[in-house]
Amino acid sequence: EAGVTQSPTHLIKTRGQQATLRCSPISGHTSVYWYQQALGLGLQFLLWYDEGEERNRGNFPPRFSGRQFPNYSSELNVNALELEDSALYLCASTSGLALAKNIQYFGAGTRLSVL
Amino acid sequence: AQKVTQAQTEISVVEKEDVTLDCVYETRDTTYYLFWYKQPPSGELVFLIRRNSFDEQNEISGRYSWNFQKSTSSFNFTITASQVVDSAVYFCALSVRDYKLSFGAGTTVTVRA
Repeated sequence: EAGVTQSPTHLIKTRGQQATLRCSPISGHTSVYWYQQALGLGLQFLLWYDEGEERNRGNFPPRFSGRQFPNYSSELNVNALELEDSALYLCASTSGLALAKNIQYFGAGTRLSVL
Repeated sequence: AQKVTQAQTEISVVEKEDVTLDCVYETRDTTYYLFWYKQPPSGELVFLIRRNSFDEQNEISGRYSWNFQKSTSSFNFTITASQVVDSAVYFCALSVRDYKLSFGAGTTVTVRA
């Protein structure tokens, strides 16, 4: 069974540009979570999508947005990139039942570098 | 708000030594879930264990063991007879009703041959 897959592996952008990161959850999983792992800031929750809806959002500005498609894959968009957006972006998925206790399975991440 | 504290930033041991990673959590929720994840150099977070707030039974899985104590709000992790492959960053995390994972800062474990 395939795990959570993320693309691209690496992404290099310049300040002010937009970045789009993609995530495919484990087959059968309906919830997708996004986390940012920036140097010195640790792992921070960004967004949670379930059944196509945004359910929860972390303490990030509106230029961080995303969506979830009917096949449960998800996209994270970061507009007006700033240097401090450079980080590893991790996607996780769960099955959607009893979410709080469910294990989140993670992908290998997309490393975004903003120059 | 939830908070997870991993006081140890880095631990370095020689192979076959035991390693204990400390995790202290804070939450006002009575129902919560605690997790440990491993992050090898490849970057992917690998799930190790989940424990709910009503189950204080300790658990052993091979060389890994976990000690959950509600009285001290701690969920410590021990690697017995460490191996070089155990070298990674280990994260403790907490989940409550809002479903997101709140992570500690992580502990980097280096096992030297």
